[in-house]
Amino acid sequence: DQQVKQNSPSLSVQEGRISILNCDYTNSMFDYFLWYKKYPAEGPTFLISISSIKDKNEDGRFTVFLNKSAKHLSLHIVPSQPGDSAVYFCAARVGGTASKLTFGTGTRLQVTL
Amino acid sequence: DAGITQSPRYKITETGRQVTLMCHQTWSHSYMFWYRQDLGHGLRLIYYSAAADITDKGEVPDGYVVSRSKTENFPLTLESATRSQTSVYFCASSDQGIGIVGGYTFGSGTRLTVV
Repeated sequence: DQQVKQNSPSLSVQEGRISILNCDYTNSMFDYFLWYKKYPAEGPTFLISISSIKDKNEDGRFTVFLNKSAKHLSLHIVPSQPGDSAVYFCAARVGGTASKLTFGTGTRLQVTL
Repeated sequence: DAGITQSPRYKITETGRQVTLMCHQTWSHSYMFWYRQDLGHGLRLIYYSAAADITDKGEVPDGYVVSRSKTENFPLTLESATRSQTSVYFCASSDQGIGIVGGYTFGSGTRLTVV
């Protein structure tokens, strides 16, 4: 049972445009959500997170939006750059538990020139 | 060097062999994790540890064994490797329990092929 779903395996965006990566979840007990970025042959690196008590968190070009009623979060990258080309994973944690994260399947973002 | 290191980076082994993947972190983080990455499945948790001598199963623990006698090391052993265990394995560590903010720090991964 996939509790965290990324339904788009890949996304292609032109440089300078907005990239929107989506993530849906089913577990109402998730209280923290994170996005990780992964380049080939490297481990994932933390990008941005959001607590369930918020609906938006911004860090430079990256913004995460959380819609709890829809059990949906999205990552916006504006403007997109070629260096953003990577696989992006969303992850979530059940509230009150040790920092054990459940990851989605990932979305491969390709930023074209 | 400070950080989290995994070894080996690449490993080919035969079905039925025992193989151990190593993970070492220099931060004295309390939490350590083993994930495997497979196409269509993303990252799935195999085992995790909250502290030395405390380990627990994740989502896909069958066929794997872990130990944590020292805070900095968290080896993962495949007792009798099967082809379905061909995967990329990532170790991660975190110093945050309930108050998570930055999440995990991952190693660079071990690509394991079972033939």
